[in-house]
Amino acid sequence: AQSVTQLGSHVSVSEGALVLLRCNYSSSVPPYLFWYVQYPNQGLQLLLKYTSAATLVKGINGFEAEFKKSETSFHLTKPSAHMSDAAEYFCAVSDGAGSYQLTFGKGTKLSVIP
Amino acid sequence: NAGVMQNPRHLVRRRGQEARLRCSPMKGHSHVYWYRQLPEEGLKFMVYLQKENIIDESGMPKERFSAEFPKEGPSILRIQQVVRGDSAAYFCASSSGRVNQPQHFGDGTRLSIL
Repeated sequence: AQSVTQLGSHVSVSEGALVLLRCNYSSSVPPYLFWYVQYPNQGLQLLLKYTSAATLVKGINGFEAEFKKSETSFHLTKPSAHMSDAAEYFCAVSDGAGSYQLTFGKGTKLSVIP
Repeated sequence: NAGVMQNPRHLVRRRGQEARLRCSPMKGHSHVYWYRQLPEEGLKFMVYLQKENIIDESGMPKERFSAEFPKEGPSILRIQQVVRGDSAAYFCASSSGRVNQPQHFGDGTRLSIL
């Protein structure tokens, strides 16, 4: 069985500060890992994905995440927060890249303080 | 718009009525997934379908819920005899099923039960 833990249901950062959202996973098979962003009353938008290629994955909007097998982590970072980054972020794991169910964490709401 | 289309965006039903939620996948996608999002929770997998086939329904409640993806037309998630606890956001995702291709999400249907 797979599971995802996102530490911190709410994170606040100042505009221009580093964004760090934490995600730890458990999986019995080599995982595929994803970060999605959800804006209010909208669906989920894919930020980035890890599918066993490079461990440092670059995504859209300046986000990136690093897969660390030894720590079973896939933390999301962005060097400088922008007001438009305020949203809810979900980490997810699956057995396959496209044809298997996703298991999501509970999400982290990011607030950006001007 | 070539994205995943869900309708209606908002649906209000009284207890005991039926709710039908529709999902048209992205062009070229033949794999459809339904997820449910309860308040303050991440998304929970419900069912995975391909055309005319249910592949995995391990996340579906045993009673009152059903899903289909006919040869022609959208995928339908049907909830019979709705109860207050069915109030949630229901998201549909689609994928091509090919390796390294992620799931793409619609904007969801917000179901409210009076």
